[in-house]
Amino acid sequence: EVQLVQSGAEVKKPGESLKISCKGSGYTFISYWIGWVRQMPGKGLEWMGIIYPGDSDTTYSPSFQGQVSISADRSITTAYLQWSSLKVSDTAVYYCARCSGPRANSDRCGIWGKGTTVTVSS
Amino acid sequence: QSVLTQPPSVSAAPGQRVTISCSGSSSDIGANFVSWYQLLPGTAPKLLIYENNKRPSGIPDRFSGSRSGTSATLGITGLQTGDEADYYCGAWDSSLSVAVFGGGTKLTVL
Repeated sequence: EVQLVQSGAEVKKPGESLKISCKGSGYTFISYWIGWVRQMPGKGLEWMGIIYPGDSDTTYSPSFQGQVSISADRSITTAYLQWSSLKVSDTAVYYCARCSGPRANSDRCGIWGKGTTVTVSS
Repeated sequence: QSVLTQPPSVSAAPGQRVTISCSGSSSDIGANFVSWYQLLPGTAPKLLIYENNKRPSGIPDRFSGSRSGTSATLGITGLQTGDEADYYCGAWDSSLSVAVFGGGTKLTVL
């Protein structure tokens, strides 16, 4: 079965660092792009960025450039989303998605993780 | 404010048909494929339509998609209570080089 399994919920304080994960299985991990999507409480979906684990080619949406870091470890078929200094406004659910190309939403993004809830509060 | 414009809500009775519109511009919907996603509370987004009108395997033919110019439409026939969810359109914006979503539409099956 093709699936993306995301890491569990996190509760952090402002200024702390965090790395959440998305493990792919059931397919050739390096042949598809993995994107990250944010959903803030009561709000809609926002694309954050996307990575091709085959060569680590990564692009970020302008709103998230410099705010987060996306990476992947091919050896353990896992993609990551990382913050160096969390803010209260980073409180959200974060989804990873497997896409057939880098132009997310116009390329097929058919497999999604169940989401990781990140709560940042002092 | 979302790049793509969707109505905040739509409603219809069980068994009826509903459409959800998604309006964009020449750089997003007008130039690139459109996808539609279903978000049920507490679950992952599900891809319903890709490349404007294609359904992934397992998505019933009650769901359909179309695109005309800079707008796209999701159609759902034979409404069921289980279809109550938030629906999002999405596309690639060639001028911004970013993937964009609509603001989402809440479907209520009365």
